[in-house]
Amino acid sequence: AQSVTQLGSHVSVSEGALVLLRCNYSSSVPPYLFWYVQYPNQGLQLLLKYTSAATLVKGINGFEAEFKKSETSFHLTKPSAHMSDAAEYFCAVSDGGGYNKLIFGAGTRLAVHP
Amino acid sequence: DTGVSQNPRHKITKRGQNVTFRCDPISEHNRLYWYRQTLGQGPEFLTYFQNEAQLEKSRLLSDRFSAERPKGSFSTLEIQRTEQGDSAMYLCASSSTGGRQTEAFFGQGTRLTVV
Repeated sequence: AQSVTQLGSHVSVSEGALVLLRCNYSSSVPPYLFWYVQYPNQGLQLLLKYTSAATLVKGINGFEAEFKKSETSFHLTKPSAHMSDAAEYFCAVSDGGGYNKLIFGAGTRLAVHP
Repeated sequence: DTGVSQNPRHKITKRGQNVTFRCDPISEHNRLYWYRQTLGQGPEFLTYFQNEAQLEKSRLLSDRFSAERPKGSFSTLEIQRTEQGDSAMYLCASSSTGGRQTEAFFGQGTRLTVV
């Protein structure tokens, strides 16, 4: 069965600092991995996805993530945080079926302070 | 294309009442998913439709829950005899035909509060 663990339910950074949000996965099949962002009282928006092509994936808003099979990780980074990045971030793995049923982590709330 | 639309955005109901939520997916998407998100948690899968066929139901979907997708277009999720534990955000997502790497687009959700 597939599962996702996000280390750190809350992360706080200064504006302009590096953002690092951690995600580890478990998958019985080659994984497809996703990062979503959720703003208050909103749905989820896809930031980026890994689908077995390049291991370094670039997404929207300056975010990127690196797939490391040996570490079963897919950490999300951004070189310089902006106030508008404050939100909740979810890592997800696609279940092994033929469609995109997602298994989500518990989420990491990112706070950005001046 | 206005994306995935969910109505209502908010619903407050008394315990024991029935509620129904609606989801209008992106028009060309034949796959539709329902998720439930409780406070401080990630979304949890409830059910999946391909066109009008409901192909998977989670164990989270008790007998009080029913979902339909007539004619393979919009979908409804009904909860009968609501309980306080049903309070959550209910999210709908849709995707086009493709493998498990295909992006799912989410609606803004319906927040249910059972009092």
